Amino acid sequence: GVTQSPTHLIKTRGQQVTLRCSSQSGHNTVSWYQQALGQGPQFIFQYYREEENGRGNFPPRFSGLQFPNDSSELNVNALELDDSALYLCASSLAGHTGYGYTFGSGTRLTVV
Amino acid sequence: AQSVTQLGSHVSVSEGALVLLRCNYSSSVPPYLFWYVQYPNQGLQLLLKYTSAATLVKGINGFEAEFKKSETSFHLTKPSAHMSDAAEYFCAVSVGTSGSRLTFGEGTQLTVNP
Repeated sequence: GVTQSPTHLIKTRGQQVTLRCSSQSGHNTVSWYQQALGQGPQFIFQYYREEENGRGNFPPRFSGLQFPNDSSELNVNALELDDSALYLCASSLAGHTGYGYTFGSGTRLTVV
Repeated sequence: AQSVTQLGSHVSVSEGALVLLRCNYSSSVPPYLFWYVQYPNQGLQLLLKYTSAATLVKGINGFEAEFKKSETSFHLTKPSAHMSDAAEYFCAVSVGTSGSRLTFGEGTQLTVNP
């Protein structure tokens, strides 16, 4: 499946954070979602072949990387209180949207 | 752009009663539709998906959903609720023009009463 680390994280406003994800074996696309408390997940961006392949309505201080082994990172700079949320990573197979997406258990980020 | 509306942020049923969670979508092209379940402090688990094959889709844990193009709906049902079904349920849509981006509804919290 998809594994994410760490599971929980507390950061101070203004700091930077890196979240990590390991995709499901055989998947070549990774997407990141932000889920604020009581809301549905919101699409941040997607990576395919180590390049950004679509982005939601998030500022540039949200950035990512995808590595050749299909692991990926989500980086957030200049943290704000509103960045407190559950961050979900999902992997999929490009060109096979109907196969679905496999989600990790998420990283709970708290910004104080 | 596609969108999803889930009617009812909270649904409460008795154990053994019918579960009906409503989802309506908006899309200018044929969509892929998904239902996910989320238990407290966990990620999303796929319940079922519609990919333009059969309009009645059967998923895990006894859930099923019917795609109705004329009503732009994809409601989730289960004949008999179990206590373990208590969770948050999300409907999501994906269309070809957005790649594999999922657009989620706001979710429905299902409570099952003994």
